[in-house]
Amino acid sequence: EDKVVQSPLSLVVHEGDTVTLNCSYEVTNFRSLLWYKQEKKAPTFLFMLTSSGIEKKSGRLSSILDKKELFSILNITATQTGDSAIYLCAVSLLKGGTYKYIFGTGTRLKVLA
Amino acid sequence: DTEVTQTPKHLVMGMTNKKSLKCEQHMGHRAMYWYKQKAKKPPELMFVYSYEKLSINESVPSRFSPECPNSSLLNLHLHALQPEDSALYLCASGSTRDGYTFGSGTRLTVV
Repeated sequence: EDKVVQSPLSLVVHEGDTVTLNCSYEVTNFRSLLWYKQEKKAPTFLFMLTSSGIEKKSGRLSSILDKKELFSILNITATQTGDSAIYLCAVSLLKGGTYKYIFGTGTRLKVLA
Repeated sequence: DTEVTQTPKHLVMGMTNKKSLKCEQHMGHRAMYWYKQKAKKPPELMFVYSYEKLSINESVPSRFSPECPNSSLLNLHLHALQPEDSALYLCASGSTRDGYTFGSGTRLTVV
C-alpha cells in the first residue's frame, strides 16, 4: 500500500529557532515529492523535488530529497510567527497511466513570539 | 494568470438539492484535480482529469460526478449529498514540470 508519513505531528518553537520537518514515503512508481504550507486557506506550494541530493531553497526555507532512503526534509531557519501553519508533504506517483497524489497527515508548526 | 479560480466560495445545500462547483485555470495546465478536505485532515484526492482522461478515487461515492468541458474548466456536480460530505473542496491544476496550484476552495455545508 502506498503511504506518506510525516513527523513530528506537531511542533512548538520560539522565534529564531530552526526546525526540521520530515516526510518519508513508500510508493511504487514515484515521480516527485511536494511540500505545501497551509494556513487557513488552500495549501500554498513550496517545493517540488524530483532528484536526490539537490537542495531547493526559498528564503529561509530549504528542502532536500533522498530517493535511496525514501524521505525528504523541510528546513526552516530563523523561524517567525508567520511560519505557523500546517506543512503538508505529498508524493506523486504514476498509477494506471495517470498521476496520483498521496498527502501525509501534515506537521502542525506553531512559532511563539 | 497564475491562479486557479473556484466558485462559489461558500455553498449551503439541502440533501435533495443538485448543485455544481466550478474551477477554472488559464495556465495551460493539462491536468486538473478535485480534492476533499475535512477539518484538520490533509486533502484527499477525488478525481483527476489528465489530458481529458478521467481517473477516479474508487472510494468517492457516485453522488459526486466530475465534468471537464474543456482543458481550462473542471466542474464537480453534486446530487443527494449527505451531511458528512460537508467539507472544503479544493481544485488544483499543474504538472510535475510546472508544480501545482490550488484554488482557494469551496466550503460546502450539507444540511
